[in-house]
Amino acid sequence: GAVVSQHPSWVICKSGTSVKIECRSLDFQATTMFWYRQFPKQSLMLMATSNEGSKATYEQGVEKDKFLINHASLTLSTLTVTSAHPEDSSFYICSAPLERTGTEHGYTFGSGTRLTVV
Amino acid sequence: GNSVTQMEGPVTLSEEAFLTINCTYTATGYPSLFWYVQYPGEGLQLLLKATKADDKGSNKGFEATYRKETTSFHLEKGSVQVSDSAVYFCALSSNTGGFKTIFGAGTRLFVKA
Repeated sequence: GAVVSQHPSWVICKSGTSVKIECRSLDFQATTMFWYRQFPKQSLMLMATSNEGSKATYEQGVEKDKFLINHASLTLSTLTVTSAHPEDSSFYICSAPLERTGTEHGYTFGSGTRLTVV
Repeated sequence: GNSVTQMEGPVTLSEEAFLTINCTYTATGYPSLFWYVQYPGEGLQLLLKATKADDKGSNKGFEATYRKETTSFHLEKGSVQVSDSAVYFCALSSNTGGFKTIFGAGTRLFVKA
C-alpha cells in the first residue's frame, strides 16, 4: 500500500539550532502533504498544508518563519524547525492523501518525529 | 465548522471484553469518517473508514457504522486483546473543509491480560 517514510524518527537538538524533518512518499505521488503536531496525550493539530510547487498554507497561529515547509517534488516534503526552543519539543507527523483528489480513501501517515530541544 | 467529539479516556478493559468508543461529529456537506489507531511511539494508521450514511467500516475485528441521523461513528470490537492497547482517533474529512482531516482528541485504551 501507499507508504510515507518520515525521517528522522527522533532527534535531540540544542536551543537555537534548526532541525529538518523529511517525508517521502515511496510508491505514489503526493501533491499535497499535511503537517501535524501532537503534544503528549493530546490530539493532532494541523500546522500547515504543503502543495508541490507552491507556497504552503499555514493554520492560524502557526509561525511561518519558524516552521519552514518545502514541497519541492511530488515525493518529498520537508519541515524545518528554525531556531528551535524547548517549547518546540513535540511529536511531528506528516500525512498525505491516498488519492490526489477526494477524501474517500483516507490518508497515510508518516511514523512521526519526536523532537526534543534541550 | 467541522468538529469531532469522542469519549474521554483512558478506557481500561480486561482481555476478551467488549469495546465501545463513542464518536460524534458536526459537519457540513457529506463527510467521510475514519478511525485511526496510534501505537506507542508510532504514527497513525488507518483502522477503518466509511464514506456515506449507513456504511459500515470494519477491520481486524473492529467495526463502526456511519449514522447520519445521530451524527455518530462509534467504534466497537467484540473481544479485545492486549495488543489492541493504543490510542484511537475518530476523524472526519469533508470537501467543504478543504479536505483537511479533523481529529477527535483521542481515546487511550489499555487492555489487561
